[in-house]
Amino acid sequence: GEDVEQSLFLSVREGDSSVINCTYTDSSSTYLYWYKQEPGAGLQLLTYIFSNMDMKQDQRLTVLLNKKDKHLSLRIADTQTGDSAIYFCAEWDTGGFKTIFGAGTRLFVKA
Amino acid sequence: KAGVTQTPRYLIKTRGQQVTLSCSPISGHRSVSWYQQTPGQGLQFLFEYFSETQRNKGNFPGRFSGRQFSNSRSEMNVSTLELGDSALYLCASTKGQGANTGELFFGEGSRLTVL
Repeated sequence: GEDVEQSLFLSVREGDSSVINCTYTDSSSTYLYWYKQEPGAGLQLLTYIFSNMDMKQDQRLTVLLNKKDKHLSLRIADTQTGDSAIYFCAEWDTGGFKTIFGAGTRLFVKA
Repeated sequence: KAGVTQTPRYLIKTRGQQVTLSCSPISGHRSVSWYQQTPGQGLQFLFEYFSETQRNKGNFPGRFSGRQFSNSRSEMNVSTLELGDSALYLCASTKGQGANTGELFFGEGSRLTVL
């Protein structure tokens, strides 16, 4: 079945890099996403990667995709206190008209 | 361009009551999805509507229902509320067809507390 798994918590010091990992099961996914949720708000798309790519870089964000292992990661360079939030990994099931989300990783950034 | 609007933002109900939540998508978006968010469970898919048709439904009991109107606005209803229905209900819209990245645009959610 479809499932997206990610660790629930990550704590880093300000200025360090954060790496959030995710595994997914649906090998037919065309797009994989990272969404960010700040307190009291809905989710907002942070970045996405097409399934035929291995890596995507967008300013401080680097997404790595290992299709063989069905592993997705998000690296945030120079993590700031404003990056404290919940980060959701997600995959798009185009045939099912739905996006499947992981449970979310809560990132704590210590000053 | 206005974002996704959900009403009400907060509500408190008692067990056995029913509730209706509303979602207005971004103008031009014809697909509306609903998710239930609870601590530790993440986002659980409830259903997706496109042009007034439900295209997919998640693994929730029949007490959870929804509909979409011709203007793409959507409502979801939960009947016979249980304590476990307490959650943040999120609505998201997207174009729903054609070439696109599948990005979902979320509202701020409706927080339901069942006492």
